[in-house]
Amino acid sequence: DGGITQSPKYLFRKEGQNVTLSCEQNLNHDAMYWYRQDPGQGLRLIYYSQIVNDFQKGDIAEGYSVSREKKESFPLTVTSAQKNPTAFYLCASSPWDGGLREETQYFGPGTRLLVL
Amino acid sequence: SQELEQSPQSLIVQEGKNLTINCTSSKTLYGLYWYKQKYGEGLIFLMMLQKGGEEKSHEKITAKLDEKKQQSSLHITASQPSHAGIYLCGADWSSNYKLTFGKGTLLTVNP
Repeated sequence: DGGITQSPKYLFRKEGQNVTLSCEQNLNHDAMYWYRQDPGQGLRLIYYSQIVNDFQKGDIAEGYSVSREKKESFPLTVTSAQKNPTAFYLCASSPWDGGLREETQYFGPGTRLLVL
Repeated sequence: SQELEQSPQSLIVQEGKNLTINCTSSKTLYGLYWYKQKYGEGLIFLMMLQKGGEEKSHEKITAKLDEKKQQSSLHITASQPSHAGIYLCGADWSSNYKLTFGKGTLLTVNP
């Protein structure tokens, strides 16, 4: 089955630690995204990538880093510089249709990060 | 700044009742997306609207985009407990693949 997988479902981080959230897709989509969701806040874009080896900052990139070495993978690292990392993190992907925007973003099941 | 307002924040209805959720943009939309989310899960795509005056339906859910392409509504007819969840609208203002989401509407359907 094609889809987006995120692991782990729950992740615990100690103060001062970096943690990496995994996102893998087998939909052959060019673009991938990371969002953060806080209660009552909706989704906020952290980083996005339209092509391998390229990515752009979203609205709340501070304290986060990403890489896009393979088309199917877009891991997110939450660094110790992120002061309030406890949140629900969602990864998404979409095809690149040359700007026609006929396609939508498809979401993974999410990872809940908790700081101990 | 570009803003997207979603209302109401929460909604409690009796099973069988109709309901409407609204999403208002501060500027003209290139596209408007509706998603549904169960708590602690990913988003499920419902519908996408691009043209002014466009209306799309799927089962008992109808989404509309006004002629000015600044306001969208999601209407559920004869609600069921399976409709319960968080509904989110997402705005595409510049076709650069960045979506801005509203804060969501929490829908509870009482049997």
